[in-house]
Amino acid sequence: ILNVEQSPQSLHVQEGDSTNFTCSFPSSNFYALHWYRWETAKSPEALFVMTLNGDEKKKGRISATLNTKEGYSYLYIKGSQPEDSATYLCAPMDSNYQLIWGAGTKLIIKP
Amino acid sequence: IAGITQAPTSQILAAGRRMTLRCTQDMRHNAMYWYRQDLGLGLRLIHYSNTAGTTGKGEVPDGYSVSRANTDDFPLTLASAVPSQTSVYFCASSYRLAGAYNEQFFGPGTRLTVL
Repeated sequence: ILNVEQSPQSLHVQEGDSTNFTCSFPSSNFYALHWYRWETAKSPEALFVMTLNGDEKKKGRISATLNTKEGYSYLYIKGSQPEDSATYLCAPMDSNYQLIWGAGTKLIIKP
Repeated sequence: IAGITQAPTSQILAAGRRMTLRCTQDMRHNAMYWYRQDLGLGLRLIHYSNTAGTTGKGEVPDGYSVSRANTDDFPLTLASAVPSQTSVYFCASSYRLAGAYNEQFFGPGTRLTVL
């Protein structure tokens, strides 16, 4: 089972500022990395699935990068908006094709 | 039905009682999953099914059982509920192909309280 660490646990960001947070995982037995967005009182929704070292994905103001050799992924949000407030989960996929979930980074955007 | 549904939305249950949480998806996904989510912890996999007729144990399977009689339904049963099973339970599904890593789609969750 992979050990997944996300940092920081929580983050307060002023509206309009850009921010980023980290997902760290063991680089061995890596198959893919998923990022999910989880709004309060809703269910997690997939943002990105990345598989290759150096992958970069983008959806609107949100982007993510992947380094499989050193075992980390960054999620970036440009020009934060109140609707970006959510918990962001990363989940590497292990050798059994199961997702191992991090505890998440809770992002709060201050107007 | 559009997507994945769970029932009930919430339930308060006496310890020792049997309870089945229902999950149905209409996306024809071959893989389905049950997770529990507890405060301060990430999602933890209870059981999974890669295809109809097969099931597997996840990280925290004790006290839970599942069945997968068809593609659409994946019920989770607590044979004799205990207070430590108080949690929010999420069902998810994905279209799983060898070599592909499709995202999981989640149901709305069931909040279960065992007293």
